[in-house]
Amino acid sequence: NAGVTQTPKFRILKIGQSMTLQCAQDMNHNYMYWYRQDPGMGLKLIYYSVGAGITDKGEVPNGYNVSRSTTEDFPLRLELAAPSQTSVYFCASSLGQYSEKLFFGSGTQLSVL
Amino acid sequence: AQTVTQSQPEMSVQEAETVTLSCTYDTSESDYYLFWYKQPPSRQMILVIRQEAYKQQNATENRFSVNFQKAAKSFSLKISDSQLGDAAMYFCALMNYGGSQGNLIFGKGTKLSVKP
Repeated sequence: NAGVTQTPKFRILKIGQSMTLQCAQDMNHNYMYWYRQDPGMGLKLIYYSVGAGITDKGEVPNGYNVSRSTTEDFPLRLELAAPSQTSVYFCASSLGQYSEKLFFGSGTQLSVL
Repeated sequence: AQTVTQSQPEMSVQEAETVTLSCTYDTSESDYYLFWYKQPPSRQMILVIRQEAYKQQNATENRFSVNFQKAAKSFSLKISDSQLGDAAMYFCALMNYGGSQGNLIFGKGTKLSVKP
């Protein structure tokens, strides 16, 4: 059972480039989330989804887009990358609402230079 | 505004001894959840323990227990019989019931070192 899988693990982007961070879960969870973790800080919510076709903004959505066409996948799109988006990105999923437990991926280290 | 404060950037404990990590929070909600997450060098976020605010009894998970003081808005984590594998960053987090789904408010973390 793979849990939550994120790819890639590391990436370097040039300013203005775009990319998609991939996230997939095999636990049939309806709820999925994207967080970012800046150095020396806790995680902040970027976007979340409560099911296929339904997404909503979190605390720090600017500069990002998401889509949720299937239960399993929740990709995060960065358009026009900026140095302020240098961070570690985590995808997570949960079974229930206001869940008891989030299952996290191992993160993507992104540097924008 | 909701905030979570961890006042100890770093802590150290001798193997087999007990250590307590501090966390205070602020929220205007009456229903909420509190969490401690562990982040080892592998970066994986691992749930250590969870506490529902409406429960007066302190949560316990094996060697991990919390001291939840609702009136004082304090939520400390006690690790007993510390092991080398406990070395990690520990994050305290708050989620309001009825708030934006998945919107955990995290503290800045405490780095725990375990000395053999």
